[in-house]
Amino acid sequence: GQQVMQIPQYQHVQEGEDFTTYCNSSTTLSNIQWYKQRPGGHPVFLIQLVKSGEVKKQKRLTFQFGEAKKNSSLHITATQTTDVGTYFCAGNAGGTSYGKLTFGQGTILTVHP
Amino acid sequence: DAGITQSPRHKVTETGTPVTLRCHQTENHRYMYWYRQDPGHGLRLIHYSYGVKDTDKGEVSDGYSVSRSKTEDFLLTLESATSSQTSVYFCAISESMVAPSYGYTFGSGTRLTVV
Repeated sequence: GQQVMQIPQYQHVQEGEDFTTYCNSSTTLSNIQWYKQRPGGHPVFLIQLVKSGEVKKQKRLTFQFGEAKKNSSLHITATQTTDVGTYFCAGNAGGTSYGKLTFGQGTILTVHP
Repeated sequence: DAGITQSPRHKVTETGTPVTLRCHQTENHRYMYWYRQDPGHGLRLIHYSYGVKDTDKGEVSDGYSVSRSKTEDFLLTLESATSSQTSVYFCAISESMVAPSYGYTFGSGTRLTVV
């Protein structure tokens, strides 16, 4: 079945440093979504990417979808303590699996003040 | 998020007992999902529903069953709980399966411990 791998599993940064997490799918995706989960909380939807090579920005967050629609990345510029949490990518394979998301393992981000 | 609630929030149960978790939504969304979250595994799909009485299995469905008799309620049942089912369970809803551009909305989760 479809697999979505996410690296790194953990990332510790000093406040103000940049952060990037990468997501790779074993199959071509119809679209990919990103979620953030604060410690003790539930995943919250951040964004969806659909087009090959798509780049979207939300303030300090930049999301990219690879040309082959098999990989994606989330980059945070100048991290803040409020960025702490786990970031998940979730791939949608389309076809008969359309609408069912396969989540990566997540990257746990710690920001040291 | 307002519009989706899970109950109970915490539960401790003994091995071999049946357990039912409830997900209730007020958004009238057609699609509902049950995920479990374990360290190092992310979120794994257990079962999902695409309408009243329409359900299907996810990747980790063994030992679980679901029912959806009303649009607003999606129940997850562990027929005979085992320690490997100790986990945090999240329910999620989606307005559209064809183009879920607004993403899933997740409930606050149920932390289940099987002793």
